[in-house]
Amino acid sequence: KQEVTQIPAALSVPEGENLVLNCSFTDSAIYNLQWFRQDPGKGLTSLLLIQSSQREQTSGRLNASLDKSSGRSTLYIAASQPGDSATYLCAVRGWSGNTPLVFGKGTRLSVIA
Amino acid sequence: DTGVSQDPRHKITKRGQNVTFRCDPISEHNRLYWYRQTLGQGPEFLTYFQNEAQLEKSRLLSDRFSAERPKGSFSTLEIQRTEQGDSAMYLCASTPGTKNNEQFFGPGTRLTVL
Repeated sequence: KQEVTQIPAALSVPEGENLVLNCSFTDSAIYNLQWFRQDPGKGLTSLLLIQSSQREQTSGRLNASLDKSSGRSTLYIAASQPGDSATYLCAVRGWSGNTPLVFGKGTRLSVIA
Repeated sequence: DTGVSQDPRHKITKRGQNVTFRCDPISEHNRLYWYRQTLGQGPEFLTYFQNEAQLEKSRLLSDRFSAERPKGSFSTLEIQRTEQGDSAMYLCASTPGTKNNEQFFGPGTRLTVL
């Protein structure tokens, strides 16, 4: 059974810092990995999708990497801003491609002005 | 295209009552997923449709839960005889079914069972 772990559970940083959020998964046979942002009481916003054949994806100040063989992904946020404060969730999809996402518990990020 | 929508956004009910939630996926997305999220946890899979066919159900989906997707468009999730443990955020997601398979989520329905 696939399990996804996110470390740290919570993180507080001053504005402007670069930071790294970590995600690990137990079964390396994945179809893709998706990073989401969730604001309190809201739904999920997709940030980046990495296919199993890819090593990284970039969108603005966000960069996500994938090392499938070691079961790890990182989300790098450059020059953090208070508006980045949210919970960041990592989710993996099994190899069939139609399977549902398996989520970690998320990392709660606070960026202090 | 306005994204995935869900209705209602909030529902408060008394234990034992039935509730029904609706999800409207992004148009032409043929796959639709329901997830449940409790406080401090990531979303957990409940069930999945491809067009109108319900292809997979989680063990979390007890007999009190039923989902439909008539005509392969919107979907409904009904909970009968609600219990306090059903209190959670119910999230709907859709995906176009292309090779990309990126999932897009709605704003969720927050259920509180008193």
